[in-house]
Amino acid sequence: NAGVTQTPKFQVLKTGQSMTLQCAQDMNHNSMYWYRQDPGMGLRLIYYSASEGTTDKGEVPNGYNVSRLNKREFSLRLESAAPSQTSVYFCASNQGNTEAFFGQGTRLTVV
Amino acid sequence: KNQVEQSPQSLIILEGKNCTLQCNYTVSPFSNLRWYKQDTGRGPVSLTIMTFSENTKSNGRYTATLDADTKQSSLHITASQLSDSASYICVVRTNSGYSTLTFGKGTMLLVSP
Repeated sequence: NAGVTQTPKFQVLKTGQSMTLQCAQDMNHNSMYWYRQDPGMGLRLIYYSASEGTTDKGEVPNGYNVSRLNKREFSLRLESAAPSQTSVYFCASNQGNTEAFFGQGTRLTVV
Repeated sequence: KNQVEQSPQSLIILEGKNCTLQCNYTVSPFSNLRWYKQDTGRGPVSLTIMTFSENTKSNGRYTATLDADTKQSSLHITASQLSDSASYICVVRTNSGYSTLTFGKGTMLLVSP
């Protein structure tokens, strides 16, 4: 009964490096989301995918790309990491109007 | 612009005491409002959902209220426990499109022994 699984849990990058955050859900949800959470701010939507094969920008998409590989998996890629991307990243999924289920988060530090 | 404002920003209470957290929103059109609990280092977990027609809903020691006219919601925690220490996030959903969740910044609750 895994729900939403994110990897890795922690990552340190140097400025300019690239990496991909992985997310998988086993609830057969159509919609998946990537958020970032910064101190003193609410969760902000980076990208979302309403269904397999579709992706759309959220509130803060600059510097990120996403891939909805299949119904289960939704990855977030940082092509050239910047210190401003230091944050905690959450993947979430839901179906229709139901609650969003969140992963455990990835704590990313860019130095 | 859709906004969700929560108060207080942080709160410390003694174990066993009650507390009430507030949420005001300007999200439109309104679909539903959820309260999430986020433990330190974990993802948010839904506590309760309020739709337009609901005024009060309980989930154990948690009771949420909604006044759709004034666009206000509250989360009341009864007989607090140490495990209630967490951030409580109010999230309002519109009924238009997929990127429809507006998050509050949360209230950080610390229950002290």
